[in-house]
Amino acid sequence: DAGVTQSPTHLIKTRGQQVTLRCSPISGHKSVSWYQQVLGQGPQFIFQYYEKEERGRGNFPDRFSARQFPNYSSELNVNALLLGDSALYLCASSPGWVNTEAFFGQGTRLTVV
Amino acid sequence: ELKVEQNPLFLSMQEGKNYTIYCNYSTTSDRLYWYRQDPGKSLESLFVLLSNGAVKQEGRLMASLDTKARLSTLHITAAVHDLSATYFCAVDMGGGSNYKLTFGKGTLLTVNP
Repeated sequence: DAGVTQSPTHLIKTRGQQVTLRCSPISGHKSVSWYQQVLGQGPQFIFQYYEKEERGRGNFPDRFSARQFPNYSSELNVNALLLGDSALYLCASSPGWVNTEAFFGQGTRLTVV
Repeated sequence: ELKVEQNPLFLSMQEGKNYTIYCNYSTTSDRLYWYRQDPGKSLESLFVLLSNGAVKQEGRLMASLDTKARLSTLHITAAVHDLSATYFCAVDMGGGSNYKLTFGKGTLLTVNP
């Protein structure tokens, strides 16, 4: 069975540009969460979507946005990129909203220059 | 705000030795997770601890949870080189919601021959 898949795996952008990252959850999973992992730190929660609705938002600026599609895949958008946005962006999927374990994708490494 | 603290942050061990990684968290939570991350890779789920006194073992790793002390431990027995990785503990917001995991900073484990 396919796990959580993310694309692209690596990305280089210039300051001020916009980026879209994509995530396909495990088949049957309806919840997708996004995390940012800066080098040397633990992942930080950005968003969670369940059944196409935003269910949680972390402490990130409005430049970060996300959505979930009818097939439960998700996109994370970051506008007006800053150097500090350089990080590994992880997507996690879960079967449901509560009492379920999250499974992480391989991540997208974003470098802002 | 939920805070999760791991120690030590860096751990260099000799093969064959035992050691323990500690994870303290600041507010009540019923669920604690341990993940492993290899360099440049995603998070691999090791253990999910769901109740006070829970103990789980897999190979040379054993995890335990004391919800009253808000403490989890990851014990390594007779370390081998393949265990070299960064280990994270993570706690959810409690109440059965998994929508936001708060991670520790991670423990970088190096096992030397």
